[in-house]
Amino acid sequence: QSVLTQPPSASGTPGQRVSISCSGSRSNIGSNTVNWYQQLPGTAPKVLIYTNNQRPSGVPDRFSGSKSGTSASLAISALQSEDEAAYHCAAWDDSLNAWVFGGGTKLTVL
Amino acid sequence: QVSVVQSGTEVKTPGASVKVSCKASGYTFTTYGISWVRQVPGQGLEWMGWMSAYNGNTKYAQIVQDRVTMTRDIPTSTAYMELRSLTSDDTAVYYCVSERGQSGNYYFAYWGQGTLVTVPS
Repeated sequence: QSVLTQPPSASGTPGQRVSISCSGSRSNIGSNTVNWYQQLPGTAPKVLIYTNNQRPSGVPDRFSGSKSGTSASLAISALQSEDEAAYHCAAWDDSLNAWVFGGGTKLTVL
Repeated sequence: QVSVVQSGTEVKTPGASVKVSCKASGYTFTTYGISWVRQVPGQGLEWMGWMSAYNGNTKYAQIVQDRVTMTRDIPTSTAYMELRSLTSDDTAVYYCVSERGQSGNYYFAYWGQGTLVTVPS
């Protein structure tokens, strides 16, 4: 059981916009910033969004992040087949004194 | 460019220990912390702990704190994670991650390729 809650799956067709939610509590998302990681099949995760809404260089602006209260969201616009991957949210938890993750959302591009 | 390269696949018997290495390059090793994250195949990510590459201070996740030790060798820019008393529940891919960020806003910036540790039941 993950501390942060994500839907296990999401899907969309090429060109569509999809959104993935990440729900937490006051001790994690409510108090700290959220990061998102993309994990392509068979590979290590890579940072996609950090500090709620910042993109590392090289990440397309089709990817965006937002946070409100104890929830965060990752949006992917103009969906492409290469976006098919697992997406993980993460935040520091002040009560657990640990990094916590969501269970991951597997995105399928139909 | 930054690179994080881990040691290879391990197969261990229950009760044994495993020590995974992680060699960083492309930046000043002592500037940033190293975290270890594991992933049971087909499941989510789990943070195991953090080590300051500068002074060796550590912070371990409660779930493994009695069995894990994280160390580093500064001259070779290599971090190590040792996990003892292995059980089949420890079968996972273990990732070494170099952190970035500041003022409490940190993130896992550079990931190693992962090390599969298998502990047959």
